[in-house]
Amino acid sequence: ETGVTQTPRHLVMGMTNKKSLKCEQHLGHNAMYWYKQSAKKPLELMFVYNFKEQTENNSVPSRFSPECPNSSHLFLHLHTLQPEDSALYLCASSQRGPQETQYFGPGTRLLVL
Amino acid sequence: RKEVEQDPGPFNVPEGATVAFNCTHSNSASQSFFWYRQDCRKEPKLLMSVYSSGNEDGRFTAQLNRASQYISLLIRDSKLSDSATYLCVVDNFNKFYFGSGTKLNVKP
Repeated sequence: ETGVTQTPRHLVMGMTNKKSLKCEQHLGHNAMYWYKQSAKKPLELMFVYNFKEQTENNSVPSRFSPECPNSSHLFLHLHTLQPEDSALYLCASSQRGPQETQYFGPGTRLLVL
Repeated sequence: RKEVEQDPGPFNVPEGATVAFNCTHSNSASQSFFWYRQDCRKEPKLLMSVYSSGNEDGRFTAQLNRASQYISLLIRDSKLSDSATYLCVVDNFNKFYFGSGTKLNVKP
């Protein structure tokens, strides 16, 4: 299944590092999302992009910076993260409209040391 | 109060058993509902969409009670491969809210 791809799949970084997560969707969708999933907690919506425009920033700290250059690609730039930011970061896409459904990428498992 | 509430489980059932999960949500205006399945260390995958009072797909039946703000998932004839966490998802005008999930362990 390659509808939504994410790279890297695993990432270990120090608190002073800068890294970026990449997501690409091959489904022709017009909305993309970043979610954070920590152990034993529900998925937390971070950012939403509709037609490349950010429509939702769910009170996410500025050390997370999203970028959506086109409707197929989504990035999450990371800098000066904290150990509590360690989590699974999931990208999803959907086609806006009735009966909208989200499809997820495999996620990037991030460990901040 | 959480937007979507689920019993975390785990539900430990033998193969062949019937098991039901419940989910409640807090917004009576919610339009669409979904059940996703998430295997350990994997991404959530869509299991069923629930747009009307309910629907059935093979061994899986989802039911929706809009008045009670309640969604259920019934799995009949459980298989070992059904072991996973089942996420209830509610769409409030294109904003998706996820429950914490209910863990199912199907044992031989």
